[in-house]
Amino acid sequence: QKEVEQNSGPLSVPEGAIASLNCTYSDRGSQSFFWYRQYSGKSPELIMFIYSNGDKEDGRFTAQLNKASQYVSLLIRDSQPSDSATYLCAVNKDSGGGADGLTFGKGTHLIIQP
Amino acid sequence: KAGVTQTPRYLIKTRGQQVTLSCSPISGHRSVSWYQQTPGQGLQFLFEYFSETQRNKGNFPGRFSGRQFSNSRSEMNVSTLELGDSALYLCASEGGGPTDTQYFGPGTRLTVL
Repeated sequence: QKEVEQNSGPLSVPEGAIASLNCTYSDRGSQSFFWYRQYSGKSPELIMFIYSNGDKEDGRFTAQLNKASQYVSLLIRDSQPSDSATYLCAVNKDSGGGADGLTFGKGTHLIIQP
Repeated sequence: KAGVTQTPRYLIKTRGQQVTLSCSPISGHRSVSWYQQTPGQGLQFLFEYFSETQRNKGNFPGRFSGRQFSNSRSEMNVSTLELGDSALYLCASEGGGPTDTQYFGPGTRLTVL
């Protein structure tokens, strides 16, 4: 049974600070990990994906994966008010995003305070 | 490239009716997945179609069904609607390869009265 857990928040972070979002998963067979951002009333938008242990950086975003601890995180540097949204963590058994379907956490609501 | 499109964007139905939702994937994408999103359960996987075949199915009752056409467009059908089927239904497309990722459409907001 795949399960993905996230703290629902809200997580409040001052503008310009680093926002740290965390996610744990239960299925050790999970191979691929995704972070989506969802603004209220909108559909999820892919932010980052990571397959290997370690860090992956893309602009202000860094995804971190630790398969031994079954833990994946997303760091947002220099947080901006426009980063205020719900962040969804998703995992999949396949190395890609299809076939088994993504299993999503319920999301963390992030608020960046100006 | 145009993104994933879904029609209709909003729908109101009554209990017992049936509904069909449509999704057109990104050009060149052969895989279409459907998800249901509700405040209580979050995003839940319904099923995935690749090259007109259902590759996998989530834990939903048989009232939820889908199909995919040769042009990769997909439809999802819900029969005998229940109040609990009120949700945002999201379609996601991807190329279908081992390192592809899913891109979501804007969703169809279904309200069952």
